[in-house]
Amino acid sequence: NAGVTQTPKFQVLKTGQSMTLQCAQDMNHEYMSWYRQDPGMGLRLIHYSVGAGITDQGEVPNGYNVSRSTTEDFPLRLLSAAPSQTSVYFCASSWVGGGTDTQYFGPGTRLTVL
Amino acid sequence: LAKTTQPISMDSYEGQEVNITCSHNNIATNDYITWYQQFPSQGPRFIIQGYKTKVTNEVASLFIPADRKSSTLSLPRVSLSDTAVYYCLVARRGGNKLVFGAGTILRVKS
Repeated sequence: NAGVTQTPKFQVLKTGQSMTLQCAQDMNHEYMSWYRQDPGMGLRLIHYSVGAGITDQGEVPNGYNVSRSTTEDFPLRLLSAAPSQTSVYFCASSWVGGGTDTQYFGPGTRLTVL
Repeated sequence: LAKTTQPISMDSYEGQEVNITCSHNNIATNDYITWYQQFPSQGPRFIIQGYKTKVTNEVASLFIPADRKSSTLSLPRVSLSDTAVYYCLVARRGGNKLVFGAGTILRVKS
């Protein structure tokens, strides 16, 4: 199993550009989520999904869109990038939920918005 | 979810036992204490989870007193490779959100 994979590893955008961060898992997990991590801080939940076709907002959802058309994939879209979205983005998955289930994290995408 | 408080950083030497204490005064009945480890440039990794008393696995032990208002992660005989950030989280059974604090930076020196 590859586990949780994220692409790209690094990305530089200009303000106003859009892009999609990809996340995929091959563990047949129902729950997937996106976090962002800023320097010296913990991770903050952006959006999460409890199964295909179901998504919900986390702590910091503004400026981000998600969709879950398959169990395996959970892309994160930045519609109009802003410098405040410069961060490291982590995708995670688990069997059922985002509470006590063990979360498996991807390697992260480092995004810089100029 | 209950807010957690843990030390910002700790230093230790190879071979020592390290104890990181976390306070979670407002923990609820359905909440579990969960610890994750994060190495630089990697995503967090699950270490251990418990509800009360003591839990031990091949990596660490977790001690939780009867009132559950605090917990202690114990790492036996640390090595340089244990240098990482350790996060204490309160996770709700059946919940869908995890709240990460700033974590504890553990530096292991030779």
